Amino acid sequence: DGGITQSPKYLFRKEGQNVTLSCEQNLNHDAMYWYRQDPGQGLRLIYYSQIVNDFQKGDIAEGYSVSREKKESFPLTVTSAQKNPTAFYLCASKDREGQPQHFGDGTRLSIL
Amino acid sequence: QKEVEQNSGPLSVPEGAIASLNCTYSDRGSQSFFWYRQYSGKSPELIMSIYSNGDKEDGRFTAQLNKASQYVSLLIRDSQPSDSATYLCAVNANQAGTALIFGKGTTLSVSS
Repeated sequence: DGGITQSPKYLFRKEGQNVTLSCEQNLNHDAMYWYRQDPGQGLRLIYYSQIVNDFQKGDIAEGYSVSREKKESFPLTVTSAQKNPTAFYLCASKDREGQPQHFGDGTRLSIL
Repeated sequence: QKEVEQNSGPLSVPEGAIASLNCTYSDRGSQSFFWYRQYSGKSPELIMSIYSNGDKEDGRFTAQLNKASQYVSLLIRDSQPSDSATYLCAVNANQAGTALIFGKGTTLSVSS
């Protein structure tokens, strides 16, 4: 089945620790996105990538980093510089310009 | 700053009624418009796409677009308790290679 797989579903971070959220897609989509959603809030764009080896900052990139070494994969690292990382993280991909984005099931990150 | 505005709700309707959800956007050049449904604790799911002025129907759902008024709406006919969710409006900014801009969502509650 084609789709977007995010892992893990739940993640806990200790103080000063970096954690990496995985996002893999087998839809052959060029564009991939990371969003953060806080309770009762909308989606805020963290980073996005239109092609392999290229990515752009979104509205709230500080404290996060990404890589796009393969078309299928777009991992997000939440660094210790992100002081308020507790949120629901959503990965999405899109086929081409003007088309809708499709989402993975999300990763819920909490602080220990 | 390009914006998408939605009433946060909650919008409460009885089972069988028509639910009407509204969205306005600021970028007059926007070309693609989407409605997503998000159940509590889950990721957004695409339910409608609309690209041209007028109405687009899909089952119980009708999307309406008026580019002159920068307004897009979603009508849900014969509302069911299973329609209770948050509905996100998303707009494609008129700039190649950018992500969708999401509204904060309207929470719909359908009572049986």
